[in-house]
Amino acid sequence: DAGITQSPRYKITETGRQVTLMCHQTWSHSYMFWYRQDLGHGLRLIYYSAAADITDKGEVPDGYVVSRSKTENFPLTLESATRSQTSVYFCASSGLQGITEAFFGQGTRLTVV
Amino acid sequence: AQKVTQAQTEISVVEKEDVTLDCVYETRDTTYYLFWYKQPPSGELVFLIRRNSFDEQNEISGRYSWNFQKSTSSFNFTITASQVVDSAVYFCALSEADSGYALNFGKGTSLLVTP
Repeated sequence: DAGITQSPRYKITETGRQVTLMCHQTWSHSYMFWYRQDLGHGLRLIYYSAAADITDKGEVPDGYVVSRSKTENFPLTLESATRSQTSVYFCASSGLQGITEAFFGQGTRLTVV
Repeated sequence: AQKVTQAQTEISVVEKEDVTLDCVYETRDTTYYLFWYKQPPSGELVFLIRRNSFDEQNEISGRYSWNFQKSTSSFNFTITASQVVDSAVYFCALSEADSGYALNFGKGTSLLVTP
């Protein structure tokens, strides 16, 4: 199916565990993003990528790692999950960063216990 | 510092009322882009509109309209004759060269439309 998909949709993990959230888009968009959404904070940018093998930090990158070996995939890894990383995570892609609209995945609700 | 301010945290209206959602932004760039997204209770983020800094024309799309005023750094969103299906959280966002054109979102306004 065309579009942008995130997996898993829901995840519960324990403090200290590594967890990876997956994001896949089929449009061959150059730009991809990871945001987290928390009550009272709106959406905050974690990392973004302008192209394969090019990534950059956003507003709240600490505790997260990203990679982009292929244009269509942009996984987000929490190296050692903490309770403060409980959030809803959204992946997005766009053809021209900030110039064209970004299309968002359905979100991943992550709970760290 | 917050670059996009949506001062209204929650708004509640009765169906058929008009409602305006405020968005004030801050930037030093001359070229920038403004967006509105809708997040219904189902959780997905839906793109509504994009505006570049050189186009101050107001836009109307059905019951939705947007008023962009550079003089006051505002990009307000009006829903005319609101409907229950308009109930959602609405986000305003700014992209500018200063932050690599990544979308910088406001905290959102939660709109509740009751019958």
